[in-house]
Amino acid sequence: AQTVTQSQPEMSVQEAETVTLSCTYDTSESDYYLFWYKQPPSRQMILVIRQEAYKQQNATENRFSVNFQKAAKSFSLKISDSQLGDAAMYFCAYRAPDSGYALNFGKGTSLLVTP
Amino acid sequence: KAGVTQTPRYLIKTRGQQVTLSCSPISGHRSVSWYQQTPGQGLQFLFEYFSETQRNKGNFPGRFSGRQFSNSRSEMNVSTLELGDSALYLCASSFKQGARQFFGPGTRLTVL
Repeated sequence: AQTVTQSQPEMSVQEAETVTLSCTYDTSESDYYLFWYKQPPSRQMILVIRQEAYKQQNATENRFSVNFQKAAKSFSLKISDSQLGDAAMYFCAYRAPDSGYALNFGKGTSLLVTP
Repeated sequence: KAGVTQTPRYLIKTRGQQVTLSCSPISGHRSVSWYQQTPGQGLQFLFEYFSETQRNKGNFPGRFSGRQFSNSRSEMNVSTLELGDSALYLCASSFKQGARQFFGPGTRLTVL
C-alpha cells in the first residue's frame, strides 16, 4: 500500500519569508500524481499545486513551488513571500491508477505565519 | 459554476442511530468521492461513484454505504453509529475518474 509521510506536524514562518514543507511517499508505481492541498480553518480543501510523476520539471504556481525528487520519493512544497493568509493545514497527497485514483493523504503540517 | 455543496453542514446524532449525508457535485461532474477526516486517522478515502456505480472503495466497515443518482448527486449513509464515526465528511467531485477533484465544505458529524 502506498504511504505518504509528512514529518513536520507544525511549522512556523515569518511574513514575507520562505518556508519548505516536507513530504515523502512510498510506491512501486511509475505513473502517479502528487498534490499539495491547503485546508484553512474553514475546512475547505483547496488544491495548491500538483505534479505528474512523468514530468521532470517541478511544478510552480505563483508563490508556491515544489521540489520533486522521484528517485528519492520526495515532494516538498516551498512557499515564498509568506502571507498571513497562508496559515493553514497543508496536506501532501498521492494518487495513482492502481488505487483507483483515490487520494492518499499524509497526516498534514500545520503552518503558522507570524507578522 | 457553483461549487460542490454538502448538506447538512453540521449534524449531531446518538450512538446506534443512522445518518445520511448528501453531496451535490459541480454541474457536469459525474464522479463523486467521499473522505472521512478525523484527528486520529487523518483523511481516509471512503468510496467513489461514477455514473451511478461504485468504482472504488476504501477500507471501511459495511456500516458505511453510499449511492449516486442519475443527476450525479450522491448520498452516503452510516448505520449503527459509533462514537468513532464523529468526523468531518468531505465530498469531492470531478469530471471523470482520475480528473482533478474539487472538494465541498464538508459535513461535521458528532456522535454522542
